[in-house]
Amino acid sequence: DADVTQTPRNRITKTGKRIMLECSQTKGHDRMYWYRQDPGLGLRLIYYSFDVKDINKGEISDGYSVSRQAQAKFSLSLESAIPNQTALYFCATSDGMAIPYEQYFGPGTRLTVT
Amino acid sequence: KQEVTQIPAALSVPEGENLVLNCSFTDSAIYNLQWFRQDPGKGLTSLLLIQSSQREQTSGRLNASLDKSSGRSTLYIAASQPGDSATYLCAVNGAGGTSYGKLTFGQGTILTVHP
Repeated sequence: DADVTQTPRNRITKTGKRIMLECSQTKGHDRMYWYRQDPGLGLRLIYYSFDVKDINKGEISDGYSVSRQAQAKFSLSLESAIPNQTALYFCATSDGMAIPYEQYFGPGTRLTVT
Repeated sequence: KQEVTQIPAALSVPEGENLVLNCSFTDSAIYNLQWFRQDPGKGLTSLLLIQSSQREQTSGRLNASLDKSSGRSTLYIAASQPGDSATYLCAVNGAGGTSYGKLTFGQGTILTVHP
């Protein structure tokens, strides 16, 4: 089984709908991250969490919220989806006790907002 | 704020050629630098990770170097093959200030290797 899983893998939704993307990990890592990737661009950080009680905004957090339900679970929500949130979304994890803090990525969720 | 730039944006080469992809970053306070491969519409495959104290890493036909003081890394691919065609992403893991513990990605180099 994959160490970092994301559900759903693909989602099509309409403008204005609320949607949640979920990430789970079995690596035992304390740090988790959400990124988005637009066509032809690198990944940009949306939110990150260094432990269950720590949530931080990244570079592009507007229009998104997150929840760290447990050490192994980190969810990303779009409260009211808009078309320019159409993108590929990646979750990642890292071990905050293990320099050099390598990040491990999930397979991605392709989100289309119509 | 850390910024990462990859040059060239796209590269097309004949099979068998050796090639170099470049990555530069503005803040030398990093824990590591990673090179990833991404096939169209797919996830990321980690190729090489170079810790800040290292100068290079090798895996098969791939060799990545790091010059932290000048903010540069190169990914060398020997004897390129059509199967190497993909987007290659460089990312640095910040060690200080607002970049601490976060990956900053470049925009990638699209590599096409034609038979």
